[in-house]
Amino acid sequence: DAKTTQPNSMESNEEEPVHLPCNHSTISGTDYIHWYRQLPSQGPEYVIHGLTSNVNNRMASLAIAEDRKSSTLILHRATLRDAAVYYCIRGRGGSQGNLIFGKGTKLSVKP
Amino acid sequence: SQTIHQWPATLVQPVGSPLSLECTVEGTSNPNLYWYRQAAGRGLQLLFYSVGIGQISSEVPQNLSASRPQDRQFILSSKKLLLSDSGFYLCAWSVGSGKNIQYFGAGTRLSVL
Repeated sequence: DAKTTQPNSMESNEEEPVHLPCNHSTISGTDYIHWYRQLPSQGPEYVIHGLTSNVNNRMASLAIAEDRKSSTLILHRATLRDAAVYYCIRGRGGSQGNLIFGKGTKLSVKP
Repeated sequence: SQTIHQWPATLVQPVGSPLSLECTVEGTSNPNLYWYRQAAGRGLQLLFYSVGIGQISSEVPQNLSASRPQDRQFILSSKKLLLSDSGFYLCAWSVGSGKNIQYFGAGTRLSVL
């Protein structure tokens, strides 16, 4: 049970911003929100994570709702190389493989 | 910098044959190690994880086993492959016990015929 809900697919135009939503209404106070992406025939790649505050890194931004029941991954300018499946994951701190991958959102980027 | 190696990249095996997939991590000590499987068009399923040499936890009952003979080496094995063992196998590592950010290898695509 992934315990997160994401749209199956989304489309974007190249060089436009993309907002990928995720619902995690049963999240606990100590669960981090992780985002990974997987390009075709490759292993998943870590994108970003957060707990309560919004986060920015060189790949993306993560906006977390005040009640933490939802979050949005923001790609500021989509490129063709951003076409991938994006996974939103609730992850507990700790070494025991607590990253449960759902089906993710397949992002298509049109030139 | 840390790197993770998986081999082979692709593998075709007959039903009933043994399996050994190897994963090694460089540039870090005492990593947590993971084996995942991804069936076609599906999400990733955690198979095994290890927090240290000889320490293996299994997430799902199956035809597979895992071993960690060295700190940075993780091996996935089977004595007799089944058709249902086909899939994309991924090894991953993480460090510490905090945010559990995992870094994945390139994967092995296994076809059992």
